[in-house]
Amino acid sequence: GQNIDQPTEMTATEGAIVQINCTYQTSGFNGLFWYQQHAGEAPTFLSYNVLDGLEEKGRFSSFLSRSKGYSYLLLKELQMKDSASYLCAVRDDRIKAAGNKLTFGGGTRVLVKP
Amino acid sequence: NAGVTQTPKFRVLKTGQSMTLLCAQDMNHEYMYWYRQDPGMGLRLIHYSVGEGTTAKGEVPDGYNVSRLKKQNFLLGLESAAPSQTSVYFCASSPPGEGETQYFGPGTRLLVL
Repeated sequence: GQNIDQPTEMTATEGAIVQINCTYQTSGFNGLFWYQQHAGEAPTFLSYNVLDGLEEKGRFSSFLSRSKGYSYLLLKELQMKDSASYLCAVRDDRIKAAGNKLTFGGGTRVLVKP
Repeated sequence: NAGVTQTPKFRVLKTGQSMTLLCAQDMNHEYMYWYRQDPGMGLRLIHYSVGEGTTAKGEVPDGYNVSRLKKQNFLLGLESAAPSQTSVYFCASSPPGEGETQYFGPGTRLLVL
């Protein structure tokens, strides 16, 4: 089966750095996505990793280790608007019939305090 | 472009009633998905479609049916609503490329009494 784990909640201070970990055990692997979801809103895409290493996009970076089944999302210079849930999702199958479907973790709620 | 839209935004049903949720996308995406999101459980895939006229079951399909008669629309039906189907429902669409993300609609809040 598919199993994706992330911490339920994290708290950090404005201006600080927070690292959100995601571990996965899936039947296959064909890419890992991170999404941001503000309360009452739809998830929006943050990052995509398919090869090992670090992908940097402004204040956000995402890391992947396929051998360890592990990823993290790093949020730097935290702002109040970063208070949201962060969802880790794995695509486990590349065949067309799988339709790029994703398996999501439960999400990590990040609260940024002044 | 409106992106992905969902109708209705909110609905209250009584147990046993039926309803259809409509998802529409104007990005010409091949793939479409229906998820439900419950507190602490993340997004769970109900059904998905890889093209017009095709549908497939996801992780939690029981109690739901879907249809994709037109490429831009994906309908989710509840034939006989149950309180356990109280949830927020998200529709999403995606192009077929490997690194392509899914684009989500604003969600439908459903309360079944």
